Amino acid sequence: DSGVTQTPKHLITATGQRVTLRCSPRSGDLSVYWYQQSLDQGLQFLIQYYNGEERAKGNILERFSAQQFPDLHSELNLSSLELGDSALYFCASSPILRGDRPGYTFGSGTRLTVV
Amino acid sequence: QKEVEQDPGPLSVPEGAIVSLNCTYSNSAFQYFMWYRQYSRKGPELLMYTYSSGNKEDGRFTAQVDKSSKYISLFIRDSQPSDSATYLCAMTPDTGRRALTFGSGTRLQVQP
Repeated sequence: DSGVTQTPKHLITATGQRVTLRCSPRSGDLSVYWYQQSLDQGLQFLIQYYNGEERAKGNILERFSAQQFPDLHSELNLSSLELGDSALYFCASSPILRGDRPGYTFGSGTRLTVV
Repeated sequence: QKEVEQDPGPLSVPEGAIVSLNCTYSNSAFQYFMWYRQYSRKGPELLMYTYSSGNKEDGRFTAQVDKSSKYISLFIRDSQPSDSATYLCAMTPDTGRRALTFGSGTRLQVQP
């Protein structure tokens, strides 16, 4: 167990629908990252939050949004879902903005299937 | 062209073989180089990282970075069936907890 908790583990939904993915970072970690992993694109950075504030944006679609709450958990909202949004969505966390080592800890992911 | 290129494999080797996994990159600003291992249906886990050029060894794993060639490698000695996974390289300019740039991953299968 990495300490990063993601729910749900699996999600099947129809095109046009809206879903919310949830992430609880490791205890004490202030920074949360969301990544999308699809077969043809690999791991793509979506967005980063640090202590409740948006820190960096990657290739996140306008249909997608995220937030980090005061208790540091984060939610990724995906709306107007399309078949191409089917992917694994990973959350990762790290303790502080700048540390003595790079990288961060990933959760086990949410597998989203849009039908 | 992607910033980080990685052969997707699959790479199949017999147990006990030496495995070589590689990535090339184009951004000269990258200073930290990481290798993540991802088992099926699990999240990536950090195996090891190196700073700038040079080698780093951790048990059966050795990471090498050649910044002049923009080429990094991960060697696995005495490979085991439990090493069967997808290996992703990742890079970043510093430890500033920014987004990492990942390779697409190489799927490794170690046959018993």
